[in-house]
Amino acid sequence: GENVEQHPSTLSVQEGDSAVIKCTYSDSASNYFPWYKQELGKRPQLIIDIRSNVGEKKDQRIAVTLNKTAKHFSLHITETQPEDSAVYFCAASGWVGQFYFGTGTSLTVIP
Amino acid sequence: EAGVTQSPTHLIKTRGQQVTLRCSPISGHTSVYWYQQALGLGLQFLLWYDEGEERNRGNFPPRFSGRQFPNYSSELNVNALELEDSALYLCASSYRDRDNQPQHFGDGTRLSIL
Repeated sequence: GENVEQHPSTLSVQEGDSAVIKCTYSDSASNYFPWYKQELGKRPQLIIDIRSNVGEKKDQRIAVTLNKTAKHFSLHITETQPEDSAVYFCAASGWVGQFYFGTGTSLTVIP
Repeated sequence: EAGVTQSPTHLIKTRGQQVTLRCSPISGHTSVYWYQQALGLGLQFLLWYDEGEERNRGNFPPRFSGRQFPNYSSELNVNALELEDSALYLCASSYRDRDNQPQHFGDGTRLSIL
């Protein structure tokens, strides 16, 4: 089955700096890669996703890049704000209905 | 649009007991997924239901089971509870399409085993 690895497990940045979280996957059949943000005690929220026919996708301060050859994808958050502090999960999916999640990155934005 | 709703929010059980968790998907969503999130860990896939059928299950023992009703709501049943079953159980729903669709999560049920 698919194996998704996520790094780093914890990340601290100064407010206004950029944050980058990286994930690798093992199954070349994976073609859908969502990212979720989970604030303490709350539900995971989809923040951005990308499909394998696209190399990059942006939504305001958030962007995701995908390198299919290397089997890795990354989340980029620019101009970080304290409210960006949360745990971020990446996921990969090939077959419909099968999702494999990374172990999460705890991001702290220091004011 | 109402989001995914789960009940109960919290539950305390003892070893050996049985528990049933409930999930109502977003209106129009036919797929329901169940995940286990142990403290400090990622989301472990448990079960996927679509159109009333179990479509896939994760690497969990048979005492984890569930079903999906005609209105697409779902139940997760866990028998013979063990201490390591203590976790947040999350339900997610999505449309079913040719390609994977975004999953929308509920707030979860926090299960504590004493």
